[in-house]
Amino acid sequence: DAGVIQSPRHEVTEMGQEVTLRCKPISGHNSLFWYRQTMMRGLELLIYFNNNVPIDDSGMPEDRFSAKMPNASFSTLKIQPSEPRDSAVYFCASSRPRGQIYEQYFGPGTRLTVT
Amino acid sequence: ELKVEQNPLFLSMQEGKNYTIYCNYSTTSDRLYWYRQDPGKSLESLFVLLSNGAVKQEGRLMASLDTKARLSTLHITAAVHDLSATYFCAVQNTGNQFYFGTGTSLTVIP
Repeated sequence: DAGVIQSPRHEVTEMGQEVTLRCKPISGHNSLFWYRQTMMRGLELLIYFNNNVPIDDSGMPEDRFSAKMPNASFSTLKIQPSEPRDSAVYFCASSRPRGQIYEQYFGPGTRLTVT
Repeated sequence: ELKVEQNPLFLSMQEGKNYTIYCNYSTTSDRLYWYRQDPGKSLESLFVLLSNGAVKQEGRLMASLDTKARLSTLHITAAVHDLSATYFCAVQNTGNQFYFGTGTSLTVIP
């Protein structure tokens, strides 16, 4: 299995531009998570989906952020308009239950820089 | 909201020494995970601990869980440079949502 796939791996954009991050979960996994990691705030959960349905988006910073999961094999996280404080590494993770275990598998991350 | 605290945040230790990283959490849970993150890389799963008294070992790392104390430990035995990384614990709530600790940045000095 290829693991969780994220694209792009690096993104540099100017303030005010729209940014779209993409994630392909591991095949057969029914939960998908978007995280943001910064030095100041550590690892933050932004939103998670179960069976393509958003379950908890309380971590989404503000209306500039939106996430979709149109099918079981694809999700997007969009920032519009982007701001310098959005600069971070964004991780996507997926999981499926194995008994009580819901181990999350992380993608390589997208390093976003907003200038 | 479930809170997870790790200590220390930073740990510098000499090769060959032993040390323990602590992970405390605020509400009842019997499912805890440890992850490793190398600089500039993603998070890699190390251990899954599912019940009180659970102990898992892999090489020089050993993780344990005490659900009554709401405490997990990650013990490092005879540290080597390759163990330098950031280690995260994560507690699972009654659903499948994880709450991550702040991470412990470990540097092993030759």
